Amino acid sequence: AQSVSQHNHHVILSEAASLELGCNYSYGGTVNLFWYVQYPGQHLQLLLKYFSGDPLVKGIKGFEAEFIKSKFSFNLRKPSVQWSDTAEYFCAVNAPNNDMRFGAGTRLTVKP
Amino acid sequence: GAVVSQHPSWVICKSGTSVKIECRSLDFQATTMFWYRQFPKQSLMLMATSNEGSKATYEQGVEKDKFLINHASLTLSTLTVTSAHPEDSSFYICSARSSVSYEQYFGPGTRLTVT
Repeated sequence: AQSVSQHNHHVILSEAASLELGCNYSYGGTVNLFWYVQYPGQHLQLLLKYFSGDPLVKGIKGFEAEFIKSKFSFNLRKPSVQWSDTAEYFCAVNAPNNDMRFGAGTRLTVKP
Repeated sequence: GAVVSQHPSWVICKSGTSVKIECRSLDFQATTMFWYRQFPKQSLMLMATSNEGSKATYEQGVEKDKFLINHASLTLSTLTVTSAHPEDSSFYICSARSSVSYEQYFGPGTRLTVT
């Protein structure tokens, strides 16, 4: 079964710093990839997703992610974070028609 | 966009009682629905996958007699936590996969507190 690894448990940045959160998955076939955000006390929201095509995916709120098939990676990036980006970020993977598996999550704290 | 609702959003129950949580896909049909559990400050863990009209498939370590799942229609799945104990206190999140697009949409979650 596929699994998802997020390398950073807790990331602390100052406002305007650049962000990159790592995500690797273990599955040899075709996969769909997702990044979700969970703000404190709120439910999951989809940031972006990759199904096929351009491996550089742009999402909401200035986030983007790049799918590198050879590295089994789907890292999330943002050039300049804001205090309001403080949240938990989850990478998720599913093979078509299969269930979605989540990484352990990365807590992002942005200091004003 | 596709909307998934859960009811109730928050429930407190006494130890030993049962609690039913509903998950509905409001504007699309979902042949498959998923139930996840999220402990505080942790990730979502898949509990079970339910297909309309058939028995749910439970993940390893999840007690199927304790977490009863029913997926009676293409828009409704229910999770019943039977004989709840304090350790069952958690955030339960359902997800529904569109029968047409196969995209998966998440509900807002139900916070269960067992006293």
